Amino acid sequence: GEDVEQSLFLSVREGDSSVINCTYTDSSSTYLYWYKQEPGAGLQLLTYIFSNMDMKQDQRLTVLLNKKDKHLSLRIADTQTGDSAIYFCAENGLTGGGNKLTFGTGTQLKVEL
Amino acid sequence: NAGVTQTPKFQVLKTGQSMTLQCAQDMNHNSMYWYRQDPGMGLRLIYYSASEGTTDKGEVPNGYNVSRLNKREFSLRLESAAPSQTSVYFCASSNEVKETQYFGPGTRLLVL
Repeated sequence: GEDVEQSLFLSVREGDSSVINCTYTDSSSTYLYWYKQEPGAGLQLLTYIFSNMDMKQDQRLTVLLNKKDKHLSLRIADTQTGDSAIYFCAENGLTGGGNKLTFGTGTQLKVEL
Repeated sequence: NAGVTQTPKFQVLKTGQSMTLQCAQDMNHNSMYWYRQDPGMGLRLIYYSASEGTTDKGEVPNGYNVSRLNKREFSLRLESAAPSQTSVYFCASSNEVKETQYFGPGTRLLVL
């Protein structure tokens, strides 16, 4: 079955770069997503990448996709305290009936002063 | 646009009680979803509705029912609540299945 894995925690200092990693198993994914969840809130779409792209940059965010290794990463440059949140990756592969996104368990990012 | 709205925000139930969680979207999306979020388990899909008039089971449908009332509204019903249903429930919508989903703020449910 489909599986999306992330590490549970990441701690960085303010101003440093954060890199959140994700691996997935479904090679039929056409889009891969990063969502951000702040405490007590719903999931907010941060960015997404089409599966035929290697990289996408959006201001402080850089998404890298290694389709051969099924590895997705999100780099946040100049990390700020407001970036503290849980980050979920998700993919929309065909496994599972192709009718849903499959989410990872989320990575809790803590930004320390 | 309000996006996706959910009511109530918080709810405490006793075991065996019933309740309905409401969700509405104003983005004219065809597809709507109900998830539950539990610590360390990410998001798990309960039910989804690919289009008005259709509903399908997700990963964890047992103990729940849904109604796609119209294109805007998708409700989730717990007929006889159990402590295992204590969770945060999120509703989401997308233009079509497999496309970008937009989430509501969640309903926090405690079943005693």
